[in-house]
Amino acid sequence: GQQVMQIPQYQHVQEGEDFTTYCNSSTTLSNIQWYKQRPGGHPVFLIQLVKSGEVKKQKRLTFQFGEAKKNSSLHITATQTTDVGTYFCAGANDMRFGAGTRLTVKP
Amino acid sequence: GAVVSQHPSWVICKSGTSVKIECRSLDFQATTMFWYRQFPKQSLMLMATSNEGSKATYEQGVEKDKFLINHASLTLSTLTVTSAHPEDSSFYICSARGDTLNQPQHFGDGTRLSIL
Repeated sequence: GQQVMQIPQYQHVQEGEDFTTYCNSSTTLSNIQWYKQRPGGHPVFLIQLVKSGEVKKQKRLTFQFGEAKKNSSLHITATQTTDVGTYFCAGANDMRFGAGTRLTVKP
Repeated sequence: GAVVSQHPSWVICKSGTSVKIECRSLDFQATTMFWYRQFPKQSLMLMATSNEGSKATYEQGVEKDKFLINHASLTLSTLTVTSAHPEDSSFYICSARGDTLNQPQHFGDGTRLSIL
């Protein structure tokens, strides 16, 4: 099955700084989904990317899908304390999750 | 939005007990349901994928006789941890999806299982 690798594992930023997490697959993905899990909570769907090279934005969040559909990234501009949580990518083919990136934000 | 209800939220029981966890999609038909296990500060580990009316597909290393999954209807899947032991203590979380790959998963709130 596909292997989805995600880096970094942890990221600690000062409020206002930017943040990026990267997701890489060993195989081509039909699409990729991003989720956010707050501490103590369950994963919540953020977005799905389907097309090669696709870029989608949600306010301060920018999601990209690579041209080869093997990698993806999530970028947060000017982080806020409400962005704290773990961000996961998952290949929608079989819904295996990456290891996640745990974001902490210092006020 | 789509809602998935998972019950119970917490279970504490003695070693050797079997525990059943329910996952219900409340306002949509869940053709596929997923069962995950999550250890503290770690990612979600996919245990099995179940499709309504058919046998679940288990991930490598997951004992199907230990973790019994039933997906008898389009709104309900159950995970039974049989003869649970302390090493089975974990956070179990289910998710449900409609009938196409392009639909997102909707997660239940999870079940924290503690085996004494």
